[in-house]
Amino acid sequence: GENVEQHPSTLSVQEGDSAVIKCTYSDSASNYFPWYKQELGKRPQLIIDIRSNVGEKKDQRIAVTLNKTAKHFSLHITETQPEDSAVYFCAASTSTGTYKYIFGTGTRLKVLA
Amino acid sequence: GAVVSQHPSRVICKSGTSVKIECRSLDFQATTMFWYRQFPKQSLMLMATSNEGSKATYEQGVEKDKFLINHASLTLSTLTVTSAHPEDSSFYICSARTALNTEAFFGQGTRLTVV
Repeated sequence: GENVEQHPSTLSVQEGDSAVIKCTYSDSASNYFPWYKQELGKRPQLIIDIRSNVGEKKDQRIAVTLNKTAKHFSLHITETQPEDSAVYFCAASTSTGTYKYIFGTGTRLKVLA
Repeated sequence: GAVVSQHPSRVICKSGTSVKIECRSLDFQATTMFWYRQFPKQSLMLMATSNEGSKATYEQGVEKDKFLINHASLTLSTLTVTSAHPEDSSFYICSARTALNTEAFFGQGTRLTVV
């Protein structure tokens, strides 16, 4: 089955700096890769996603890149703000069958003011 | 946007009792619902996938007789934790998707504490 690894587990950056979180997946059939932000005790919130027919996607300060050959994808947050502090999860899914998501282990991002 | 509501948000139960958690899609028909468990400071671990009108598919290591899942309609799935024990204390989250959309929408989660 699919296995998703995520690094780093914790990340501290100064406000205004960039943050990068990386994930690798094992199943070459995976073709949908969402990123979620989760605050303590709350539901995960989708912040950006990418499909396998695209190499990069950007939404204001957030971007995601995908390298299908290497089976890895990354989240980039620029101009970080204290409110970006949260736990971020990547996930991988296929567009066939049940579309189940397999999540990475999470990255606790702390933006220091 | 699509809304998934989970109830209750918090529940405390005695060891040995059963607890039912509901997951409802409020403004769309959910052909598939997923149940996750999340321990403190850990990731979301998929427990099972349920399709409306059929039996749930459980992930390896998840006891189907302990975690009963019912997806009786296109807007409601339930997870019943039977004979709960303290080690079942966790944050349980559901998500739902339509037949046409890959994106899944999450409920707000249920914090279960077994005492």
